Amino acid sequence: KAGVTQTPRYLIKTRGQQVTLSCSPISGHRSVSWYQQTPGQGLQFLFEYFSETQRNKGNFPGRFSGRQFSNSRSEMNVSTLELGDSALYLCASSLGPGQGAKAFFGQGTRLTVV
Amino acid sequence: AQSVAQPEDQVNVAEGNPLTVKCTYSVSGNPYLFWYVQYPNRGLQFLLKYITGDNLVKGSYGFEAEFNKSQTSFHLKKPSALVSDSALYFCAVRGVNSGYSTLTFGKGTMLLVSP
Repeated sequence: KAGVTQTPRYLIKTRGQQVTLSCSPISGHRSVSWYQQTPGQGLQFLFEYFSETQRNKGNFPGRFSGRQFSNSRSEMNVSTLELGDSALYLCASSLGPGQGAKAFFGQGTRLTVV
Repeated sequence: AQSVAQPEDQVNVAEGNPLTVKCTYSVSGNPYLFWYVQYPNRGLQFLLKYITGDNLVKGSYGFEAEFNKSQTSFHLKKPSALVSDSALYFCAVRGVNSGYSTLTFGKGTMLLVSP
C-alpha cells in the first residue's frame, strides 16, 4: 500500500511568488491535514480537510490556503511568499476525522524562499 | 486550548541503557495521545498512541509509553537504547473537544544514543 506522497520534495521560490504543494493520501483515507515545520516554531497546524471540506484551520494568514479534491488529494497554496515561509511542509492523512485516528505523514516538501 | 510540553530539547543516553523522553499535556476532556519519530529529511513516523485502557502502551521498535492522568504525562520509554534510535521525537495530543483530526505537537526532543 503506497504511503502519503508529497510533491515536489524540494522547491526554491523568490519572495513575492506563489507556490502550490500537492499531497496524495493513502488510498481510502479521506482526511488530510497540513503542518508547517520550522526550527523555531516546531510543528504548526495549517488546516484539515475531510470530504472536500475544510474542517479546521490553524492560525496562519490568508496567504495560506488549501483545497481537497473528490479523490481526497489535497493541495495547499501560499501566495506572496515571504522569507519566513521557508519551512518543511508536511501532509498527513487518516481514515477519518476521529480523535483516535492515526495520522500517516508524507516526507514533506522543503520550501526555500530567497 | 490544548497544549503539549516536552521539557527537554535533547536527551543523551548510551547504547544499551534505558531511555525516557518526557511529555506533559493539557487538554479538556479525555486525551488522545501520540508519539511520532522523525529521521533527518523525513516525515513523521507513528510510534504509538493512547486512547483508553491500560496505562502502559506498547508501540513500534520496542518503544512504550506510560500514561499518567494525575500528572498529565505521557513519557516515552525504551528498556535498551540503540544507536539507530537517534532521531527527533514528538509527542502530540488530540482533545475530545478539539474538533476533528487536529494534532497539537510538542516542540520535539532530540534523542542522541552514543555507541
